Amino acid sequence: QKEVEQDPGPLSVPEGAIVSLNCTYSNSAFQYFMWYRQYSRKGPELLMYTYSSGNKEDGRFTAQVDKSSKYISLFIRDSQPSDSATYLCATLSGTYKYIFGTGTRLKVLA
Amino acid sequence: NAGVTQTPKFRVLKTGQSMTLLCAQDMNHEYMYWYRQDPGMGLRLIHYSVGEGTTAKGEVPDGYNVSRLKKQNFLLGLESAAPSQTSVYFCASSGSGRAGDTQYFGPGTRLTVL
Repeated sequence: QKEVEQDPGPLSVPEGAIVSLNCTYSNSAFQYFMWYRQYSRKGPELLMYTYSSGNKEDGRFTAQVDKSSKYISLFIRDSQPSDSATYLCATLSGTYKYIFGTGTRLKVLA
Repeated sequence: NAGVTQTPKFRVLKTGQSMTLLCAQDMNHEYMYWYRQDPGMGLRLIHYSVGEGTTAKGEVPDGYNVSRLKKQNFLLGLESAAPSQTSVYFCASSGSGRAGDTQYFGPGTRLTVL
């Protein structure tokens, strides 16, 4: 079993829709969770990170962690065509060892 | 402020050839990383460095060597390239290895081994 699992998609939604992207993880000791956005042929860039359980909001983006079910989510409100990218979830095992999901490809249709 | 840069952007090698990928960062970061990204596999850590003169193995180190002679540079070497090393390689850097300390990625190097 992979330590972080993510549905690869692709996920297509109309402009303005609410997008839900999800990952599961296997190790209950993981505390920090991150979401990266990766545009085609570019490097990943950090969107948000959260610690332990709960929600974190940044503009149209909300990251949510449910430690009881080992489930992490990223919600995008009022999605825009510019949000079309691959979204990677990640966690940190100890220091420096980042574990990434495979990424979900999102396409927002104008 | 260029952030993290990688050289070259593209490369085609024949099996058995060698090459070095160069990563440079201008943020005075201590930590640097080399990842490979393959379809369905996500980003996997090859090697990393926690400071000048130090290197350590990551998840998939076989067939690769690294060096960090200067704080701003992290080199990834392929001694004898194999088709299984066809991938997109990303370098990243961070001030520390702690969560909350952003990892900055370079634009990637697309390597094809024939």
